[in-house]
Amino acid sequence: NAGVTQTPKFRVLKTGQSMTLLCAQDMNHEYMYWYRQDPGMGLRLIHYSVGEGTTAKGEVPDGYNVSRLKKQNFLLGLESAAPSQTSVYFCASRQPSGTAFEAFFGQGTRLTVV
Amino acid sequence: AQSVAQPEDQVNVAEGNPLTVKCTYSVSGNPYLFWYVQYPNRGLQFLLKYITGDNLVKGSYGFEAEFNKSQTSFHLKKPSALVSDSALYFCAVRSTSGTYKYIFGTGTRLKVLA
Repeated sequence: NAGVTQTPKFRVLKTGQSMTLLCAQDMNHEYMYWYRQDPGMGLRLIHYSVGEGTTAKGEVPDGYNVSRLKKQNFLLGLESAAPSQTSVYFCASRQPSGTAFEAFFGQGTRLTVV
Repeated sequence: AQSVAQPEDQVNVAEGNPLTVKCTYSVSGNPYLFWYVQYPNRGLQFLLKYITGDNLVKGSYGFEAEFNKSQTSFHLKKPSALVSDSALYFCAVRSTSGTYKYIFGTGTRLKVLA
């Protein structure tokens, strides 16, 4: 049971380059999230989705775009990377209701923008 | 607005001693509260949650947490710390009303000394 899988695990980008981070979950979860983790700031929500074909902005959406074309996948795009986007990115998913309220996290993508 | 505060950046405790990691929250409506643990270079792992019912919640690896509505707190505790408990701990809150978002604290690094 893979859970939540993030691809790639590490990446170095040059300023201005673009890339897409892929999150895949095999738990049939409706809700998916992208967070960034920075020292001393905890996890901050970038974008989230409450179902296939839906997306919404979180706390820090600027510079990022997302898409949820398939229920199991949630893509995070950086169109023109900036050094301020150097961070560790985490994807998470969960079911919307019932007893299983907790979110399940991927192992993270460490992105460095130089 | 929802918020979570973890007032201690780091907590040091001797192995075998009890440990407490503090968390206070602010939400409109009733809260769902969570604790997660992060080991180096790993994603967040779910420890325990408070949804409703008993104020003392038991979770994985011998951890427990006490929900205190009047003090808006949800402190994480363990009666006897292990060196292997050394990690980064995050408290998170989600309101029961009108939002899909989890808000995370900034994290507390627990160091258990042998």
